[in-house]
Amino acid sequence: SQQGEEDPQALSIQEGENATMNCSYKTSINNLQWYRQNSGRGLVHLILIRSNEREKHSGRLRVTLDTSKKSSSLLITASRAADTASYFCATSGGYQKVTFGTGTKLQVIP
Amino acid sequence: DTEVTQTPKHLVMGMTNKKSLKCEQHMGHRAMYWYKQKAKKPPELMFVYSYEKLSINESVPSRFSPECPNSSLLNLHLHALQPEDSALYLCASSRTGSSTDTQYFGPGTRLTVL
Repeated sequence: SQQGEEDPQALSIQEGENATMNCSYKTSINNLQWYRQNSGRGLVHLILIRSNEREKHSGRLRVTLDTSKKSSSLLITASRAADTASYFCATSGGYQKVTFGTGTKLQVIP
Repeated sequence: DTEVTQTPKHLVMGMTNKKSLKCEQHMGHRAMYWYKQKAKKPPELMFVYSYEKLSINESVPSRFSPECPNSSLLNLHLHALQPEDSALYLCASSRTGSSTDTQYFGPGTRLTVL
């Protein structure tokens, strides 16, 4: 069964604006990762946040994790047209198995 | 080299055909994965191989048969598929299979079952 539910399902913004997407999950996790998928292609790993971390940054990406609320957010600052993609959170509660959330489809309009 | 390659890119097959999907990585990773992704859905885990042994089978129908001939190669043998099996099949690899590993994905094989 799917672990993460993401919202919004779709997001359309202008280039230069910030994009925020949220992921909620149901059970305890060891870590949470975010991946990006360009249309019909493979996924690319963006960032991992461990269950004992609250916030992490990587370039224009900022991820937060609230284990008490079982939720995470991904913020992309100063968005670019090249950021247009689907974004998935992925949770892991144990060895090897990673479960992907429902995804947010982001469109950045030039 | 952080590339995972998959062949073929596209595959059309009938329900009585037998075909195979191939995946290859040369990053020295010891875990390899097959995922199935339907349109507008997230990838769903099918199989995990760890150190060339099948470690996870997510109750996948037997018409899908994985094989890991060596640590660099992963195959998915297909037989007697159904039209609902049409999907994007993604291969991934990771260093050890730990949940903290980054998974590296191939571009996928787009499968259509007629």
